[in-house]
Order: sequence, then C-alpha cells, then structure tokens
Amino acid sequence: QLQLQESGPGLVKPWETPSLTCTVSGDSIHSSSFYWGWIRQSPGKGLEWIASIYHSGATYYTPSLKSRVLISVDTSKNQIFLKLSSVTAADTAVYYCVRVVAGKGDVWGKGTTVTVSS
Amino acid sequence: DIQMTQSPSSLSASVGDRVTITCRASQDITNSLNWYQQQLGEAPKLLIYTASSLQSGVPSRFSGRGSGTDFTLTIGGLQPEDFGTYFCQQSYSVPYTFGQGTKLEIK
Repeated sequence: QLQLQESGPGLVKPWETPSLTCTVSGDSIHSSSFYWGWIRQSPGKGLEWIASIYHSGATYYTPSLKSRVLISVDTSKNQIFLKLSSVTAADTAVYYCVRVVAGKGDVWGKGTTVTVSS
Repeated sequence: DIQMTQSPSSLSASVGDRVTITCRASQDITNSLNWYQQQLGEAPKLLIYTASSLQSGVPSRFSGRGSGTDFTLTIGGLQPEDFGTYFCQQSYSVPYTFGQGTKLEIK
C-alpha cells in the first residue's frame, strides 16, 4: 500500500530556508510513471499547488512561487524534497506530499506543518 | 490562472439528505475537474476525477456531473462520515487551482 510521509522543521524564523522531505513507501519513485508533488494549505489562501517532479528530474513550479521554491528527488532513497527560501508568515501552512496522476492528487501524505514566526 | 468558485461556502444537512455542491471555473476546462473530501485534521481525499469518474473505494452515493465551466458534486443519502469540507480542483491547465471549499455540517 502506497504511503507518503512528510517531515519538516516545524517552526522556522522569517527569511530562513526550510527543507521538507517526503518519504515514499509501497512504490518506487524511480520505476513509477507518476509525478510527485507538494501542495500546501493555509487558512488565508486555501489549497495551493506548489510544484511537481518526475523521477527523470522534469519539474513544474507554480509561477507565483517559482522564484523561491526548489523541488528535487532522490530515487535511491525514494524521497522527494521541497526547499522554500526567504519564508514569511504567508508561508505558514500545512504542506502535503502527493502522488500526481493526470493533474490530480490521488494519494496524499498526512502533511507537515510549517510555522513561520520570530 | 483559472479561478474556481464553489457554492455554497457552507451548508447544514441531516443524515439521509441529498446535497449538491457547485463548482464554477472562470474558463472552459472541459471535464478536467476533480473533487476532494477533507475531514477535520486529515489530508484531502480524492473522490471524483474527470468530473464524473468515481475514485476506487469511494461509495456510489457520491456522484459528479458537468463540463465546460459548471460542475456539481452530489451526495445521495448523507452518512455521518460524509460531513467535512469538499474542494474542487481543475487539472486542465497549470497552475492547477482549487476552489475555496464547501463545509458540510450536521444540522
């Protein structure tokens, strides 16, 4: 059974660059034909698609975040990473890792909360 | 970006009721519309994709219709576990965007 498990720093200070990790179990990122992505949810902005990546390294970034976000994958560890730079309070959210099939998230992790506060 | 607007933003209903939630896209998205259910404290769960296809394991009381700009999610015969928040999402063009959500509460 496919499972996605996010992890992250929890509380970060403004202007820091937190890194989030998604560990995939029950499927191999390298051999699958799926994209993998990050979606966040905040009270102010609702659900927001951040970025997606294929095991080959092909990526997609939401334009509004593209300058501050980096998505990457380590197929040997079956992990997907998200790095978000120069964070502000507006980046406070629950960050979800998802498996992407034809533009929809068919499997979601439980999410990891990132709170930006000094 | 394509804007997705849901209505109502909240509604109250009783177990056994039939409810319908509407989602409107700011432009034609053909049938590239997905519905998710989110229970309190949990991640969203995919219910319906491409407007009317039921995701595996989802009860048949959930149904979706629509194409172009107007879509509906109908729950026929509400069960206690159906209360929560429902979101639509367009997968027609990037950036993929979500509706603001419809909170379904127990009357």
